[in-house]
Amino acid sequence: DAKTTQPPSMDCAEGRAANLPCNHSTISGNEYVYWYRQIHSQGPQYIIHGLKNNETNEMASLIITEDRKSSTLILPHATLRDTAVYYCIVRGTTDSWGKLQFGAGTQVVVTP
Amino acid sequence: ETGVTQTPRHLVMGMTNKKSLKCEQHLGHNAMYWYKQSAKKPLELMFVYNFKEQTENNSVPSRFSPECPNSSHLFLHLHTLQPEDSALYLCASSRETGPSQPQHFGDGTRLSIL
Repeated sequence: DAKTTQPPSMDCAEGRAANLPCNHSTISGNEYVYWYRQIHSQGPQYIIHGLKNNETNEMASLIITEDRKSSTLILPHATLRDTAVYYCIVRGTTDSWGKLQFGAGTQVVVTP
Repeated sequence: ETGVTQTPRHLVMGMTNKKSLKCEQHLGHNAMYWYKQSAKKPLELMFVYNFKEQTENNSVPSRFSPECPNSSHLFLHLHTLQPEDSALYLCASSRETGPSQPQHFGDGTRLSIL
């Protein structure tokens, strides 16, 4: 059963902010929201994660709604190298030994 | 540079060969993982090691044999593989296995079985 729902694809102009939505309406209180991305022929790259509060690091910002049923990953200034498949993952203590369940993700294409 | 290095990057082998995949992490983590990524399918967790002890075998066939000699190194020994085993094999590591700790991946070994 899918725990998250993401749009299959989106385009973004280089230099603009990219806002990637994710719905996780069945999330429980002890489950974290994770974002990874995968560029073709490379392994998944960890971006950011959060539980309840918004988070920011050198790569991106994660905005989690107050009811925690959805979140948005923000890439503040998209570059061509940000073209990748982005995965939103919900992960909690019930996932056996830290299992990450990747769905289909959002194919993001950054255009010049 | 991911901090997790996998070798070789590409491997072509026959069904009767024996080969090994290697993973090394320089992040000081205590947990290491093997995942399989087949075309058009999500990542599948294969094995989990926590402090060198295997804690998860996700119903993986015995032709895949993991080895974790220390917290920094992980191997996947391959023997008598099938064509459907052709895939990208990914190694990951994390500080520990709990949900608050992110896993960091290597770039994988692209395995092709002839």
